[in-house]
Amino acid sequence: DTAVSQTPKYLVTQMGNDKSIKCEQNLGHDTMYWYKQDSKKFLKIMFSYNNKELIINETVPNRFSPKSPDKAHLNLHINSLELGDSAVYFCASSQRSRDTIYFGEGSWLTVV
Amino acid sequence: GENVEQHPSTLSVQEGDSAVIKCTYSDSASNYFPWYKQELGKRPQLIIDIRSNVGEKKDQRIAVTLNKTAKHFSLHITETQPEDSAVYFCAATTTGGGNKLTFGTGTQLKVEL
Repeated sequence: DTAVSQTPKYLVTQMGNDKSIKCEQNLGHDTMYWYKQDSKKFLKIMFSYNNKELIINETVPNRFSPKSPDKAHLNLHINSLELGDSAVYFCASSQRSRDTIYFGEGSWLTVV
Repeated sequence: GENVEQHPSTLSVQEGDSAVIKCTYSDSASNYFPWYKQELGKRPQLIIDIRSNVGEKKDQRIAVTLNKTAKHFSLHITETQPEDSAVYFCAATTTGGGNKLTFGTGTQLKVEL
């Protein structure tokens, strides 16, 4: 009964490939996020959706495309993967009227 | 946009000692300041938070203080234990409207026996 679950947990892929990471939350939250944590542990927001509407879109290459089919799901698709995309990608969720953000377990992406 | 600075980047203490981590923020509109603990290979987990209408908050061995005028906030851990060893992140945001958390750069805390 994981609150925020994301798959896959580990992903090793070659440069130039396209890959997706899926995220689902069962907390009934209306806002979902993607954060990227690089090798230096720095956590930075990439995207945020509220009720399937994109509300935060940071300076992220357009090779990254989020998709939210419903408010419980937020997927991240990455085209033409580059070495620099190697990182841990965390999905998270919150209730817009409240502040606490809950993170998923992370997806370790390694591009070789 | 918001900028959060965090110090120190690494902190080593003896078991039972106190640990203090300090953060400063730039956006005076920020009004929510959570602290997250991230163990190796795990997700960041909220350990305590404070809002701008409160100067101090305590939860057992951890406490957070906020100085709005100086735009800085601190995490205090007393009677540290080996299981407190982790990376700690401060963050800041304005509540509502998307809740874009800006994180500090993290502090690696090591509690030595």
